[in-house]
Amino acid sequence: DVKVTQSSRYLVKRTGEKVFLECVQDMDHENMFWYRQDPGLGLRLIYFSYDVKMKEKGDIPEGYSVSREKKERFSLILESASTNQTSMYLCASREPALNTEAFFGQGTRLTVV
Amino acid sequence: AQSVTQPDIHITVSEGASLELRCNYSYGATPYLFWYVQSPGQGLQLLLKYFSGDTLVQGIKGFEAEFKRSQSSFNLRKPSVHWSDAAEYFCAVGPSNDYKLSFGAGTTVTVRA
Repeated sequence: DVKVTQSSRYLVKRTGEKVFLECVQDMDHENMFWYRQDPGLGLRLIYFSYDVKMKEKGDIPEGYSVSREKKERFSLILESASTNQTSMYLCASREPALNTEAFFGQGTRLTVV
Repeated sequence: AQSVTQPDIHITVSEGASLELRCNYSYGATPYLFWYVQSPGQGLQLLLKYFSGDTLVQGIKGFEAEFKRSQSSFNLRKPSVHWSDAAEYFCAVGPSNDYKLSFGAGTTVTVRA
């Protein structure tokens, strides 16, 4: 079974802090994603990576950056956390084939105070 | 741009009754279609997917979905719900030329005894 693991289930950070959310997948997938989930808005794509060191902005990249130094690891970085970034963050991975599904981690609930 | 609409924000159903969740998409070509379920505090789990062929697809946990090209819909059904089906359900669309998935806003299902 594919496993996508996010390093933290819950995080509380202060406004202005630099925050790192880590995600690791064990199935050698090229594609990895970071989504943000908010009530009534569903999942919105923040960033997408299709290979090591390759990334593409999603629908809401402002205030975020990403890092992919190894194939299995995809990090989301909040350069200076703000209260409006309080949310659930979901990482996913997917094979480089369109007729496949994405596999999701358990999510990280981030609260910025 | 593609979009996914789940018209029902919240549905309450009695245990043992049937359930239908609606999903409409807007996209130029036939996309790849998915339904995911999210239990409280968890990540997303795939229920079923449609790529081509038979327009009625079977999934896990007794769910099925029907693709209707003329209506741009991919509705999810279950003949008899169990209390454990209480969760949030997301419809997702993947274009035929991109790895990124777009998600609907989600439908929360409450099951009453």
